[in-house]
Amino acid sequence: ILNVEQSPQSLHVQEGDSTNFTCSFPSSNFYALHWYRWETAKSPEALFVMTLNGDEKKKGRISATLNTKEGYSYLYIKGSQPEDSATYLCAFLGQGGKLIFGQGTELSVKP
Amino acid sequence: EAQVTQNPRYLITVTGKKLTVTCSQNMNHEYMSWYRQDPGLGLRQIYYSMNVEVTDKGDVPEGYKVSRKEKRNFPLILESPSPNQTSLYFCASSNYNEQFFGPGTRLTVL
Repeated sequence: ILNVEQSPQSLHVQEGDSTNFTCSFPSSNFYALHWYRWETAKSPEALFVMTLNGDEKKKGRISATLNTKEGYSYLYIKGSQPEDSATYLCAFLGQGGKLIFGQGTELSVKP
Repeated sequence: EAQVTQNPRYLITVTGKKLTVTCSQNMNHEYMSWYRQDPGLGLRQIYYSMNVEVTDKGDVPEGYKVSRKEKRNFPLILESPSPNQTSLYFCASSNYNEQFFGPGTRLTVL
């Protein structure tokens, strides 16, 4: 059974804090690792798609790294803002096409 | 506008009454997928399709059927819905990169 684990489950930070979350995934049969941002009452929106070991991607204050050999990815948010409050999902895409999501990290940023 | 559409957005039905949730995308994507979202369980893949006439089971396929007769459409069929299929359903499409999600369908089975 393929398992994707995210930690922590929830995180409460103050505005301006920097924070990071972890996604652990199977290190075999890897095709890609996805990160999504999911706001309440909306649909998930893609942040990053990462395919190569050692990949680092950045979008504004958000960045992500990928280690496929050991099966983990980190998502970093620098200088958190209240509008960053959301659930952050990672998803493992295997070579057979099956996409497995982690349970998400719920981030709350207080002004 | 590039988008994934789902219909209906909300549905209340009764046990055993067959229903279909439609999903359509206008981005010429090959990959389409259905997910259900339940509290504490995250997003779980029901079925996915890598091309026309090609469908595969995800993690929770029991009680669902799909078809992919055309590239743009990927309907989800519940032949005999049961209360444990009450959930929020998302359709998504991609070309093996980022997934584009539909707006969701909230289904209640009484």
